[in-house]
Amino acid sequence: GAVVSQHPSWVICKSGTSVKIECRSLDFQATTMFWYRQFPKQSLMLMATSNEGSKATYEQGVEKDKFLINHASLTLSTLTVTSAHPEDSSFYICSATPWTSGGFFSTDTQYFGPGTRLTVL
Amino acid sequence: GENVEQHPSTLSVQEGDSAVIKCTYSDSASNYFPWYKQELGKRPQLIIDIRSNVGEKKDQRIAVTLNKTAKHFSLHITETQPEDSAVYFCAASKVKGNQFYFGTGTSLTVIP
Repeated sequence: GAVVSQHPSWVICKSGTSVKIECRSLDFQATTMFWYRQFPKQSLMLMATSNEGSKATYEQGVEKDKFLINHASLTLSTLTVTSAHPEDSSFYICSATPWTSGGFFSTDTQYFGPGTRLTVL
Repeated sequence: GENVEQHPSTLSVQEGDSAVIKCTYSDSASNYFPWYKQELGKRPQLIIDIRSNVGEKKDQRIAVTLNKTAKHFSLHITETQPEDSAVYFCAASKVKGNQFYFGTGTSLTVIP
């Protein structure tokens, strides 16, 4: 229970191109999804909070025009890295919070996707 | 905003010994404290959590304690095994809003 998937698991792109990463909750509906960035041997840095049907809330220092977030349904959020540069290379992880509690699901916690390794050449 | 500190950053223990990781938080309104285990290149996995109305919670070899007055909480792993080797993150959250503030992580190595 509480499975979150991400696609793709890894991507290599050229500098200047855009990359879209999908985050899906497979067995629950998610009111809120979160996007994190993680550098090697470092903690998870929250980039933005994504609520279905509304604009994402970005953390201070995160460029909203560069990291476009769309949360079109209760099971899908997408992160688009626009005009990617080598410094955007990182491990991007999403998480999701269930709409309701029950069984495996807790509305208190976040369930994480497997991450997407982005390499910009 | 919330500030979560985690210690130690690295920890090595012999197999069978106990491991303790400590976190402190700054916002007294935080009331939910999960612990995640992350293996290299993989997703963080929730291993245990505690809410502010509880002082201790145990699940087999893993336990978490919370001291609300002092604003600190700890993860205790007993009878450690090599497969416990991973990076462990603590987090603090006000359940309403659900935003997590993560500690900096502890790299645990269990030596066979």
